[in-house]
Amino acid sequence: DAGVIQSPRHEVTEMGQEVTLRCKPISGHNSLFWYRQTMMRGLELLIYFNNNVPIDDSGMPEDRFSAKMPNASFSTLKIQPSEPRDSAVYFCASSPEAQVEKLFFGSGTQLSVL
Amino acid sequence: GENVEQHPSTLSVQEGDSAVIKCTYSDSASNYFPWYKQELGKGPQLIIDIRSNVGEKKDQRIAVTLNKTAKHFSLHITETQPEDSAVYFCAAISGTYKYIFGTGTRLKVLA
Repeated sequence: DAGVIQSPRHEVTEMGQEVTLRCKPISGHNSLFWYRQTMMRGLELLIYFNNNVPIDDSGMPEDRFSAKMPNASFSTLKIQPSEPRDSAVYFCASSPEAQVEKLFFGSGTQLSVL
Repeated sequence: GENVEQHPSTLSVQEGDSAVIKCTYSDSASNYFPWYKQELGKGPQLIIDIRSNVGEKKDQRIAVTLNKTAKHFSLHITETQPEDSAVYFCAAISGTYKYIFGTGTRLKVLA
């Protein structure tokens, strides 16, 4: 099992540019989460998908952030336009249907917006 | 709102000694309490968890205790090894997916 796969591992971009983060959940897991980690705010849930449907997007900071899950094996988190305060580590996590509370995290994307 | 307080923020122990990390939660409806270990450059990894109907759970060198009345739960690591060095997060859930994470404890095991 390859685990949750995220790409890219590191992203450096300039303010105003569009950023797209990608995630492949563990095969068979039907819940997918996007989290953001910063020193100031810790781990924050951005959005939760279940069976490819967004269930809770109340953590998405503002309209500049959007997330999609077109199929069970792929999700994207897009920031457009990016701002320096978006700099953080973004994690994708998935969990199985029988134990949705047990999160399996990817290695994260370190985003730096200059 | 709901929150989880975690202490200490940093902890240094000698190899072979025990380490204890404590968390307090506010939502009395919380029913699941996992602990995650995060190594440098990696995502958090679930290492042990406990549900509200259990007072203690042990897995080799790690154990978790829960006091529902006091809304406290703790992680105990015995016979610490250098590879235990990492950041540890506690969390609480009420319902199925809304995690409230603690602020993390950076554990250093000194050889």
